[in-house]
Amino acid sequence: GAVVSQHPSWVICKSGTSVKIECRSLDFQATTMFWYRQFPKQSLMLMATSNEGSKATYEQGVEKDKFLINHASLTLSTLTVTSAHPEDSSFYICSAIGVGTSGANVLTFGAGSRLTVL
Amino acid sequence: GEDVEQSLFLSVREGDSSVINCTYTDSSSTYLYWYKQEPGAGLQLLTYIFSNMDMKQDQRLTVLLNKKDKHLSLRIADTQTGDSAIYFCAERGTGGGNKLTFGTGTQLKVEL
Repeated sequence: GAVVSQHPSWVICKSGTSVKIECRSLDFQATTMFWYRQFPKQSLMLMATSNEGSKATYEQGVEKDKFLINHASLTLSTLTVTSAHPEDSSFYICSAIGVGTSGANVLTFGAGSRLTVL
Repeated sequence: GEDVEQSLFLSVREGDSSVINCTYTDSSSTYLYWYKQEPGAGLQLLTYIFSNMDMKQDQRLTVLLNKKDKHLSLRIADTQTGDSAIYFCAERGTGGGNKLTFGTGTQLKVEL
């Protein structure tokens, strides 16, 4: 079946640094990828939708300059948290949907990336 | 906007049935989903139901949909300790492509 890989699974960084999280579709071409943020014991909050080759569409209240999303290829989207601060500490999850036998019409989630900002 | 609500916590004994409930507000929902999230992990799709169905069964899982009341439930038969996790319902409306609106999540604890 469709597989989405996220890397890293856990990152700890100092305040003020930037962190990049990768989301890869392993066996299908992801035409659309979604980035979510999840606080402890809370639901998933959609941050942005990215379509390959175009700019991401951000949800209301999400700072596009803070959370840079790049979807340059059909198998890779990246989320960069710029100048991270402790309040950015969270669990970030991507999901992808696309074309191909595995990924067609199926929204597949990555395992998530935990960001801890000291 | 759309709103999806769930109970926060449910505790059952091993071997009993668990029923997790979900209510939603979007009357144009096309698909409704149940996801399972284990600690520190992503979401695993358990099952889904199309809005013109009222029941779907898949092994130990039974999904009931009352479209009139906008109520969705997930029944897990013979609940096992490995079923302990957080369960999210999600709905997909007619607008917004493949965007899902997730419920608040229900933590299921299975006790021996």
